[in-house]
Amino acid sequence: EAGVAQSPRYKIIEKRQSVAFWCNPISGHATLYWYQQILGQGPKLLIQFQNNGVVDDSQLPKDRFSAERLKGVDSTLKIQPAKLEDSAVYLCASSSGRGSTMNTEAFFGQGTRLTVV
Amino acid sequence: GQSLEQPSEVTAVEGAIVQINCTYQTSGFYGLSWYQQHDGGAPTFLSYNALDGLEETGRFSSFLSRSDSYGYLLLQELQMKDSASYFCAAYAGNNRKLIWGLGTSLAVNP
Repeated sequence: EAGVAQSPRYKIIEKRQSVAFWCNPISGHATLYWYQQILGQGPKLLIQFQNNGVVDDSQLPKDRFSAERLKGVDSTLKIQPAKLEDSAVYLCASSSGRGSTMNTEAFFGQGTRLTVV
Repeated sequence: GQSLEQPSEVTAVEGAIVQINCTYQTSGFYGLSWYQQHDGGAPTFLSYNALDGLEETGRFSSFLSRSDSYGYLLLQELQMKDSASYFCAAYAGNNRKLIWGLGTSLAVNP
């Protein structure tokens, strides 16, 4: 089966510019996550979708970050305006979202490495 | 709050056995997952323990003790390619989400 697809792989922008990332999860997966991973740290959950509804966005800086998952499939994450501290890898992951062990295994995309200069 | 603790670094030699410990403090705990991440790569799933005891998958095993809020990942017959970061993640809460540790960097030396 095809894995989680993300684009772009790399992005360099100046501070105060805007940027958008795209994610296509594994077919049939109901749960989709966006994580931010700063070099040397663990993934930090930004937002979790179940189908097209938001389950958790408690750590999403809503003044500058937004995400949507229209039709419960693809998702986009946007940063506007970007700050230097947003430099990180942005990982998208998906899991089945069904059954008693619905989210125990998450499948990750290769991520987008964002550099803000 | 909800948190997981694991050592930041572990070093071992090829062919050896290494154990990476993880203690957790969460509410609504369902189970413990382990992920491997090579430099520049994406995390990949290794194992999930919902029940107490040892789960073995090839050279890797994972253990959970719910009463002690503790688990570990055991890597046997270490190979150079096992050099990576290893994350424990608790599956917990009303939203059944993964709560991640900060990761353990494993260096396997010749």
